[in-house]
Amino acid sequence: KAGVTQTPRYLIKTRGQQVTLSCSPISGHRSVSWYQQTPGQGLQFLFEYFSETQRNKGNFPGRFSGRQFSNSRSEMNVSTLELGDSALYLCASSLSIGSATFDGEQFFGPGTRLTVL
Amino acid sequence: AQTVTQSQPEMSVQEAETVTLSCTYDTSESDYYLFWYKQPPSRQMILVIRQEAYKQQNATENRFSVNFQKAAKSFSLKISDSQLGDAAMYFCAYRQANTGNQFYFGTGTSLTVIP
Repeated sequence: KAGVTQTPRYLIKTRGQQVTLSCSPISGHRSVSWYQQTPGQGLQFLFEYFSETQRNKGNFPGRFSGRQFSNSRSEMNVSTLELGDSALYLCASSLSIGSATFDGEQFFGPGTRLTVL
Repeated sequence: AQTVTQSQPEMSVQEAETVTLSCTYDTSESDYYLFWYKQPPSRQMILVIRQEAYKQQNATENRFSVNFQKAAKSFSLKISDSQLGDAAMYFCAYRQANTGNQFYFGTGTSLTVIP
């Protein structure tokens, strides 16, 4: 079974531009979560999508948005890029069958390295 | 909000020896999950081990085991017989039960394995 894939792997943008990152979850997984990873802050949760609906949202400004399609693929968009947005953006997928006993294991993609100049 | 603290930014261990990585967390919930993830240099993050809060027995996966102290809100990872391939950044993570997949991560511990 193919793992989580993210495109593009590397991206260079300038301040003020916008960017869209893509994530394809493991086949059959319905939950997709996004994280921002920086050396200083570690991994911070951006948002989670489940069945095309945002289920959880972290503490990030409205410039960060996302969506999920009917095939569970997800996109993340950052508008008006700032230097501080430079980071590794990780996507993770989970089966998330809604069971109270499910362990919620997440499988991570390789990430998209975004550099804002 | 839940917080996860890893107080050891860097650790080193001799090959074949044992090392313990520390993690504490803060939550008012009683039902949750805890995880240790490993992120090798320039490679994908992978799950090492997980623990359900309602289980008293400590989880074990081959050379990896945890010491879960629910009352103390402590969740340490022990790596036995350390191997060169264990060198990586290790992240402790918390997820509340029944709320979807919002994980809270610690800032990580960089583990070096000395040959």
